[in-house]
Amino acid sequence: AQSVTQPDIHITVSEGASLELRCNYSYGATPYLFWYVQSPGQGLQLLLKYFSGDTLVQGIKGFEAEFKRSQSSFNLRKPSVHWSDAAEYFCAVCSSNTGKLIFGQGTTLQVKP
Amino acid sequence: GAVVSQHPSWVICKSGTSVKIECRSLDFQATTMFWYRQFPKQSLMLMATSNEGSKATYEQGVEKDKFLINHASLTLSTLTVTSAHPEDSSFYICSARDPQGEGGNTIYFGEGSWLTVV
Repeated sequence: AQSVTQPDIHITVSEGASLELRCNYSYGATPYLFWYVQSPGQGLQLLLKYFSGDTLVQGIKGFEAEFKRSQSSFNLRKPSVHWSDAAEYFCAVCSSNTGKLIFGQGTTLQVKP
Repeated sequence: GAVVSQHPSWVICKSGTSVKIECRSLDFQATTMFWYRQFPKQSLMLMATSNEGSKATYEQGVEKDKFLINHASLTLSTLTVTSAHPEDSSFYICSARDPQGEGGNTIYFGEGSWLTVV
């Protein structure tokens, strides 16, 4: 069965520091992988996605993610975090046949001034 | 701008009444839409897959008679919470699949709808 694990429930980083949010997935075939961000009380905004090709994916707001098949991971990174990046981050895997998204538990990012 | 619109954004209803939430794809025809539910500080849980012109497919544990889904057109899916109870209070989010998008799996989310049952 498909599943997504985000090992870190809560992360705190200082503004200007680098960030890495972990995501591991379990999927039988080549996965379609996504990272979404959600601000309190808001909907979801797509940061980036991986379907195929280059395993290093660039997204919006300076985020990037790297697909590593050998590690079943799709970690999200940002070289320098801004206070406005504080939010909830969700990793998701999509079934290519159905389009259904399976979400990880989410990681809450807090940014210290 | 938003390509998937959800309405209403906020709704308060009395216990025992029914409430309808709409999900519209604005720039594309969505043969498939999805409804998710999110409790506070939790992740999104898929409730059902809404297929245009056919019955919705519900995930295990989701009551289909409780959460009625209708996908009458290629741009509109509705979720009706029937006989709502306080435990139905939640954040409901829809998504729509753009079959013409990259990989056939470009998925857009609505802004979500907060339901409070009093």
